[in-house]
Amino acid sequence: QVQLVQSGAEVKKPGSSVRVSCKSSGDFFGSYTVTWVRQAPGQGLEWVGRIIPIPGIPVYAQKLQGRVTLTADKSTTTAYLEVSSLRSEDTAVYYCASGDILKYWGQGTLVTVSS
Amino acid sequence: QSALTQPPSASGSPGQSVTISCTGTSSDVGTSNYVSWYQQHPGTAPRLMIYEVTKRPSGVPDRFSGSKSGNTASLTVSGLQAEDEAYYYCSSYAGNDIVVFGVGTKLTVL
Repeated sequence: QVQLVQSGAEVKKPGSSVRVSCKSSGDFFGSYTVTWVRQAPGQGLEWVGRIIPIPGIPVYAQKLQGRVTLTADKSTTTAYLEVSSLRSEDTAVYYCASGDILKYWGQGTLVTVSS
Repeated sequence: QSALTQPPSASGSPGQSVTISCTGTSSDVGTSNYVSWYQQHPGTAPRLMIYEVTKRPSGVPDRFSGSKSGNTASLTVSGLQAEDEAYYYCSSYAGNDIVVFGVGTKLTVL
């Protein structure tokens, strides 16, 4: 069983950056993929990217390439998502999920981008 | 990568069966054994219902089943129950470590 606990809601100005954390309580943190998915208000799921904490190589959705950075800290079993140059269309609930089949999900973090 | 195509809505009466389709291309659904289905109730995180086209995680009722033919995957819910009313999303591996989701289908239990 893996539990993923995400950081709290954020309100950001356009052009700024946001970092969302996802702490795993399960074992073998370094050996399974952490995937990030976002969901804009009233919209469907959008795959953002994923990272295998060891060796820490990320893969990003083409749409967000250059503005999204995924990292992971094995010592604290925490994965991070950073989105830069925020736009209003980045307003969404951001989820982390574990494994290639996304069996376990975090509770979601609402990021609101507003001037 | 374009989102996979799903019907916007589906419905059925309690006890009936309903099938939701998920259409992609030969670059994703058509050549992938990694098709998954997720259930999402309003205000909650998605829940994995089917993975690798036909497999059910522990705890998912056997009323839920998956299949695939060509570029289209399908989720069938048999013996519909009120709690099955939710949004359903498919996803598929699309090559180069990329995953694509479907646009989602709202399932209504009449």
